[in-house]
Amino acid sequence: KNEVEQSPQNLTAQEGEFITINCSYSVGISALHWLQQHPGGGIVSLFMLSSGKKKHGRLIATINIQEKHSSLHITASHPRDSAVYICAVCYNTDKLIFGTGTRLQVFP
Amino acid sequence: NAGVMQNPRHLVRRRGQEARLRCSPMKGHSHVYWYRQLPEEGLKFMVYLQKENIIDESGMPKERFSAEFPKEGPSILRIQQVVRGDSAAYFCASSLGRCEAFFGQGTRLTVV
Repeated sequence: KNEVEQSPQNLTAQEGEFITINCSYSVGISALHWLQQHPGGGIVSLFMLSSGKKKHGRLIATINIQEKHSSLHITASHPRDSAVYICAVCYNTDKLIFGTGTRLQVFP
Repeated sequence: NAGVMQNPRHLVRRRGQEARLRCSPMKGHSHVYWYRQLPEEGLKFMVYLQKENIIDESGMPKERFSAEFPKEGPSILRIQQVVRGDSAAYFCASSLGRCEAFFGQGTRLTVV
């Protein structure tokens, strides 16, 4: 069983829909990242969270430390949001442990 | 301030050759991490280095793989005698510590 579980694995949406991707982890962490990877592309950290909620444009990330759960929300989704979204947790060792990713496709 | 620079972006090696992947961290960053992404698989930690020190190499294969981060110059991930199973995307990330992660564009290694 992976230490970091993401759901769903694949997600398709129509442009404009509200999207939620979930991440659960098994033990206490120092921080959690939401990462974005376009096909054949690099990796970008969208958010790093240790508590509460962060917002950047149409993206919102939340984390519940007690429940060991985080969500990434995309409002008013757009085809350019199509990518793989990866949850990664960081313990006090500083290295990241990754979920398997959620492949999102947004159709016009 | 340039981001994390990895080169080459693409590398093709024949079986048995050596592959050298380079990573220049962001200016001022002293922590470098290497991660590997095998085809159709998730990212996996390989090694964590600080200047001239290997802090954690628990994710490195026991043979053929080595990493360094010298006092001057980029971090190098070296794979000796490459095999087809080494074909993957190798990502470097740098930080000042405290769980930050700034990723490079990756090096896509293909072994033929």
